[in-house]
Amino acid sequence: DAGVIQSPRHEVTEMGQEVTLRCKPISGHNSLFWYRQTMMRGLELLIYFNNNVPIDDSGMPEDRFSAKMPNASFSTLKIQPSEPRDSAVYFCASSAGQGSTEAFFGQGTRLTVV
Amino acid sequence: AQTVTQSQPEMSVQEAETVTLSCTYDTSESDYYLFWYKQPPSRQMILVIRQEAYKQQNATENRFSVNFQKAAKSFSLKISDSQLGDAAMYFCAYRSEDNYGQNFVFGPGTRLSVLP
Repeated sequence: DAGVIQSPRHEVTEMGQEVTLRCKPISGHNSLFWYRQTMMRGLELLIYFNNNVPIDDSGMPEDRFSAKMPNASFSTLKIQPSEPRDSAVYFCASSAGQGSTEAFFGQGTRLTVV
Repeated sequence: AQTVTQSQPEMSVQEAETVTLSCTYDTSESDYYLFWYKQPPSRQMILVIRQEAYKQQNATENRFSVNFQKAAKSFSLKISDSQLGDAAMYFCAYRSEDNYGQNFVFGPGTRLSVLP
């Protein structure tokens, strides 16, 4: 398996524009996580899905952020409108089952909002 | 909600020496799982070691071992015979065993430098 695949790897956009980050989890994994990493706040859990259903989105910073998982092989994280403070590295991770099963991370998307 | 604390923002160790990274967590659950991840400059998150809370025996993976103190809610990582390739950010993570087992929370990280 190719692992968790995220696209794009880098994104530069202007303030106010819509940004969509994409993630393809590892086949057979039923859990998917979106994280945001910044120097100030570290690695924050934004939302996680179990069997395509959002379980906890309490980490989503505000209504400008939304996430979907229309099927088991694809998820998106959308920011609309984007702001400079959204600049960060966004990671997607997937996991099979629960418990001691580790989360496998994608390479991340570095988002810069100017 | 569970929280994970890493009190050492930065650490350094001499090559071939031993270093211990600290991690504490807060939870009311009795069943859970703990992990250490490594993030080198490449940005890739790599699992280093895992520990099940119901196991009293400390996990070991080659040069990496943990000291798990459940009552103290402490989970430190010991790196023996440190190598230059060990230089990275290290994150402690907690995963709950709730109905969905999906809560996966990370600490703020410790940046480890290895001096030649």
